[in-house]
Amino acid sequence: SQKIEQNSEALNIQEGKTATLTCNYTNYSPAYLQWYRQDPGRGPVFLLLIRENEKEKRKERLKVTFDTTLKQSLFHITASQPADSATYLCAFSSNTGKLIFGQGTTLQVKP
Amino acid sequence: DAGVIQSPRHEVTEMGQEVTLRCKPISGHDYLFWYRQTMMRGLELLIYFNNNVPIDDSGMPEDRFSAKMPNASFSTLKIQPSEPRDSAVYFCASSSRGLAGRYEQYFGPGTRLTVT
Repeated sequence: SQKIEQNSEALNIQEGKTATLTCNYTNYSPAYLQWYRQDPGRGPVFLLLIRENEKEKRKERLKVTFDTTLKQSLFHITASQPADSATYLCAFSSNTGKLIFGQGTTLQVKP
Repeated sequence: DAGVIQSPRHEVTEMGQEVTLRCKPISGHDYLFWYRQTMMRGLELLIYFNNNVPIDDSGMPEDRFSAKMPNASFSTLKIQPSEPRDSAVYFCASSSRGLAGRYEQYFGPGTRLTVT
């Protein structure tokens, strides 16, 4: 069955460092993937989208990579700030509009 | 735009009672999704609609759950009868294909359901 795995352990880093979150998938060939941010008590918020034929996408301090050979996406936040502390979800999809979400990884940035 | 609107924000009910959750998607969006989120299972897709028509309801846990979308601006998720294991946060999200086929989803604030 289709499976998406994100590191279930929280990631703790120091302010100013680069945070790297991992998303792996199996038994699936997504057309594209998306990354969302979720704060406690709120719904997920869309951050970035990358297509299967794209290797890398950037938006301000955020960078996403997509490796279809490794079946993996990496999500980087450079110069991290305490305000970046949240849970980050990856989601995969074909061209149907339906998304399959990972469990999410909680990031804690310490000042 | 006000974003996706959900009501109620919190619902506490007793086992066996009927629960109805409501959602107003973003105007112009033609996809609507219902999700359930728990600590154990994460964010699970229950059902989604395209142009008011249910496309995939394979995530609906059992016959106690039903969803409708009578028009482009309103959808309901009903649980009858409710059980304690239905306690979760229920999210509604909407999207549209857009010019680039993006399908990014916009989530509502969620309804926190507690069944005692």
